[in-house]
Amino acid sequence: DSGVTQTPKHLITATGQRVTLRCSPRSGDLSVYWYQQSLDQGLQFLIQYYNGEERAKGNILERFSAQQFPDLHSELNLSSLELGDSALYFCASSVDGGGLARSSFTDTQYFGPGTRLTVL
Amino acid sequence: AQTVTQSQPEMSVQEAETVTLSCTYDTSESDYYLFWYKQPPSRQMILVIRQEAYKQQNATENRFSVNFQKAAKSFSLKISDSQLGDAAMYFCAYRSSGGATNKLIFGTGTLLAVQP
Repeated sequence: DSGVTQTPKHLITATGQRVTLRCSPRSGDLSVYWYQQSLDQGLQFLIQYYNGEERAKGNILERFSAQQFPDLHSELNLSSLELGDSALYFCASSVDGGGLARSSFTDTQYFGPGTRLTVL
Repeated sequence: AQTVTQSQPEMSVQEAETVTLSCTYDTSESDYYLFWYKQPPSRQMILVIRQEAYKQQNATENRFSVNFQKAAKSFSLKISDSQLGDAAMYFCAYRSSGGATNKLIFGTGTLLAVQP
């Protein structure tokens, strides 16, 4: 158990719908990352938050948005869903947000179990 | 932009034998970090080993070790005394050290089968 929790574990929905994925980081971690794992795109970085503020954006679609709340949990919102959005969505957390690592413990990303999204 | 390449989609090893998984990367940076993550059938992503580019010494974690060749931009993972529980997808990952983000750039993965 990495200490990162994600809900729900599975989500089945229809095209055009909107869903919210939730992530709670490990205690003490300030940074949250979202990754998408799909068969055709592999593992891709979507977005990172550090202590409530957006730190970096990757290949995240405009239909997707995220935020990190004062208690440091994060939500990834996916709207106008398409068949191609079906994937495993991972949340990861780390103490540090970027730059030179203070130690191997502060920059290591710990992954949650993922949310499997199926769009029908 | 940095890229990570894993040229072996699948590998197989006999239990108790040694196997090496390959990874190459492309970057213009001189300082960075490299990782190997394991994804078993449960789909959980588990950190296996971490290497800092400025360290010449290869990282080792129990039966797992790396061969880091900075000039060749190569970062292979050696698994010694392979066990059935090592069967998984293995991902090589890169992260910059100079930027404002710790985001990871992943390779496409190598699926390792362990034969009893």
